[in-house]
Amino acid sequence: GDSVTQMEGPVTLSEEAFLTINCTYTATGYPSLFWYVQYPGEGLQLLLKATKADDKGSNKGFEATYRKETTSFHLEKGSVQVSDSAVYFCALGAENQGGKLIFGQGTELSVKP
Amino acid sequence: ETGVTQTPRHLVMGMTNKKSLKCEQHLGHNAMYWYKQSAKKPLELMFVYNFKEQTENNSVPSRFSPECPNSSHLFLHLHTLQPEDSALYLCASSQEGWVAGEVDTQYFGPGTRLTVL
Repeated sequence: GDSVTQMEGPVTLSEEAFLTINCTYTATGYPSLFWYVQYPGEGLQLLLKATKADDKGSNKGFEATYRKETTSFHLEKGSVQVSDSAVYFCALGAENQGGKLIFGQGTELSVKP
Repeated sequence: ETGVTQTPRHLVMGMTNKKSLKCEQHLGHNAMYWYKQSAKKPLELMFVYNFKEQTENNSVPSRFSPECPNSSHLFLHLHTLQPEDSALYLCASSQEGWVAGEVDTQYFGPGTRLTVL
């Protein structure tokens, strides 16, 4: 079945460091791909998305490119801030499952000043 | 602001209690979802409603009973829960599940933190 695998956390970085959180997926067809972020005590918020191969989603300095050849959707940011500390979830929406999202296990990011 | 609210934010209940979780969306969406978020596990989809009709029940035990009286409100009725049901329960909504060949973006509420004693 369809699945999403993320790198395990926690990831601890210093402020202004470069961030990469790896995400790979298994799916039939052409899924849509999403990154959601969950700040402490809150629900999930959409960070960015991409709906077809080679699309790049971007928001708030974060980017991810839909790579069908490597079935990946890695999240990157050039310079993280303390306020980026949160849990990041990669998810896929399969085209044959009526809009259902399948989430990875989440990666906790902690940014130190 | 996500436009999806959930009450209560925290709930502690005994195994013999009956309680309900409430979700309300102010976005004019037609699809609503219940998820369970447990520590160290991926989000688990529980139920999906489209236009008030249940379209997905992801093998959820019968001690969880959803209700969707209209497109803006979603309830999760709880009875005779087990301690392993303690988790964060998240509600989400989307315009529809699937639009023009793309999976629709889901908008989440803040969740209800449930503790079963």
